[in-house]
Amino acid sequence: AQSVTQPDIHITVSEGASLELRCNYSYGATPYLFWYVQSPGQGLQLLLKYFSGDTLVQGIKGFEAEFKRSQSSFNLRKPSVHWSDAAEYFCAVGAPLSSGTYKYIFGTGTRLKVLA
Amino acid sequence: KAGVTQTPRYLIKTRGQQVTLSCSPISGHRSVSWYQQTPGQGLQFLFEYFSETQRNKGNFPGRFSGRQFSNSRSEMNVSTLELGDSALYLCASSLSGRDTQYFGPGTRLTVL
Repeated sequence: AQSVTQPDIHITVSEGASLELRCNYSYGATPYLFWYVQSPGQGLQLLLKYFSGDTLVQGIKGFEAEFKRSQSSFNLRKPSVHWSDAAEYFCAVGAPLSSGTYKYIFGTGTRLKVLA
Repeated sequence: KAGVTQTPRYLIKTRGQQVTLSCSPISGHRSVSWYQQTPGQGLQFLFEYFSETQRNKGNFPGRFSGRQFSNSRSEMNVSTLELGDSALYLCASSLSGRDTQYFGPGTRLTVL
């Protein structure tokens, strides 16, 4: 069965430090891959997505992610974290179903805390 | 373009009541999906509508239902509310349901 794993429930970094959030997925082929960010009480905002092509994807707010097929991973990175990046981050995959429709599966999220 | 809008933003209901939530997708988007988000279960898929037809359904009881109108706006209904239905209900729209989903701000439902 398809699944998305975000192994880190909580991560704390100092402002200005680099960040990497991990995401692994289980799926037979290469799915669509997404990273979303959610501030408290808000909806999910799309950070970036990967459908095909260049495996290093640039997103908004200075985030990037790298797709590694051999590791079934799509880790999110930022070279220098800002206090406003404190939020919850969700990795998601979109996988086609036999019916021709799509299924979107979300990881359980990683809560990022930023120390001043 | 305006984003996905959801109304109301907050709701308080008591057990046994029913509730209807509304979602207006991004203009031109024909697919609307609904999710329930709780601290314990994370994001769980409820159902997806495309061109007024339910195309996919998650593992929720029949108390949860939805519909989509010809203008792609969607409503979700929960009947006979239970305490465990307290959650943030998120709506997401996409062009076709096979591409990027864009989320609304959610409706926070509290069942007392």
